[in-house]
Amino acid sequence: ETGVTQTPRHLVMGMTNKKSLKCEQHLGHNAMYWYKQSAKKPLELMFVYNFKEQTENNSVPSRFSPECPNSSHLFLHLHTLQPEDSALYLCASSQEWGQPQHFGDGTRLSIL
Amino acid sequence: GQQLNQSPQSMFIQEGEDVSMNCTSSSIFNTWLWYKQEPGEGPVLLIALYKAGELTSNGRLTAQFGITRKDSFLNISASIPSDVGIYFCAGQPLYNFNKFYFGSGTKLNVKP
Repeated sequence: ETGVTQTPRHLVMGMTNKKSLKCEQHLGHNAMYWYKQSAKKPLELMFVYNFKEQTENNSVPSRFSPECPNSSHLFLHLHTLQPEDSALYLCASSQEWGQPQHFGDGTRLSIL
Repeated sequence: GQQLNQSPQSMFIQEGEDVSMNCTSSSIFNTWLWYKQEPGEGPVLLIALYKAGELTSNGRLTAQFGITRKDSFLNISASIPSDVGIYFCAGQPLYNFNKFYFGSGTKLNVKP
């Protein structure tokens, strides 16, 4: 039990579908993050939210749309994805922005 | 952006052997973190280092913050099969202490 829960754990979707990834943290943290993990590459930071406000968007294509309704929940809305978007998407949280992060177990996304 | 060089990329060792891996950066870092990721799970924080020269242990794991502040080392003593996984370093640069950069990981295989 990591304290950061991601659903679904696996997702297969076509390029024209719309789906959402969900993350919930039970740690009382104020900052939440989305990362993309591809094989043999460093984790790529996508978005950061601090006290529900987006503080970072690392030039992520608009087909990825984050939403943070409160400090405990984070969503990643997906639409019109490309095959190269297939990866493990990790959510993380930290007490404050810039502090060590605790990760969920990820959503393995496959784009057909 | 900042790149971390983590080596070796992979290791095959016999149970009971000691393991060493390291991470280097081109910039001075404030903080070094070491994570372990097992198959199907997210990275788990093992050790956090905040001061040049700091040596911190977590069971059989010992990590050091290099005195140049541009590198960090992780040692595992008397390895066991459950040490198998990918070990990631992460560093927080002096010029941007809201951000962590990640290495590409060291994949550890332990033969019983």
